[in-house]
Amino acid sequence: KAGVTQTPRYLIKTRGQQVTLSCSPISGHRSVSWYQQTPGQGLQFLFEYFSETQRNKGNFPGRFSGRQFSNSRSEMNVSTLELGDSALYLCASSSAGTGTDEQYFGPGTRLTVT
Amino acid sequence: GQQVMQIPQYQHVQEGEDFTTYCNSSTTLSNIQWYKQRPGGHPVFLIQLVKSGEVKKQKRLTFQFGEAKKNSSLHITATQTTDVGTYFCAGRFNKFYFGSGTKLNVKP
Repeated sequence: KAGVTQTPRYLIKTRGQQVTLSCSPISGHRSVSWYQQTPGQGLQFLFEYFSETQRNKGNFPGRFSGRQFSNSRSEMNVSTLELGDSALYLCASSSAGTGTDEQYFGPGTRLTVT
Repeated sequence: GQQVMQIPQYQHVQEGEDFTTYCNSSTTLSNIQWYKQRPGGHPVFLIQLVKSGEVKKQKRLTFQFGEAKKNSSLHITATQTTDVGTYFCAGRFNKFYFGSGTKLNVKP
């Protein structure tokens, strides 16, 4: 089985711009979660989607949004980028609807905001 | 709010020594998962604990879930250089709360 894929792998944006990141989960997985990883804050939960519905949301401003498509692929969008948004954005998929199964992480998208 | 605290932040050991990292939650968890992230890599699932007082072993790794389901530990016996990385716990309370991680460095 192919693993979780994320595109693009690296991205450089300017403050004020917006960005869209994509995640394709493992085939058959219906749950997708997004995390922001920074050296100072560790892994911070952004949101979780299951069957196109947002099931949980972390404590991030409204500039961060996401969605999930019928094929379980997910996108997250960050508008009006700030320097502090520079981070590794990780997507993770899992198979169980309850979310208690293990999460399989993608390689991440490294976003740099200048 | 809900938090999962993890200590220590860093641990440097000589190869062959043991290593332990601890996680504590402010509230009762549904389950706890452990992940390992190698330098430059992404978190990789190690194990999930669900039951109160559960203990699971994977070769040299021993995982425990506290009786009150508020704390957990990962113990590595006789560390090897391949154990280098950051170990994260993730507690499930509606959503996942990741600990800050323990970065393990093993000197050969």
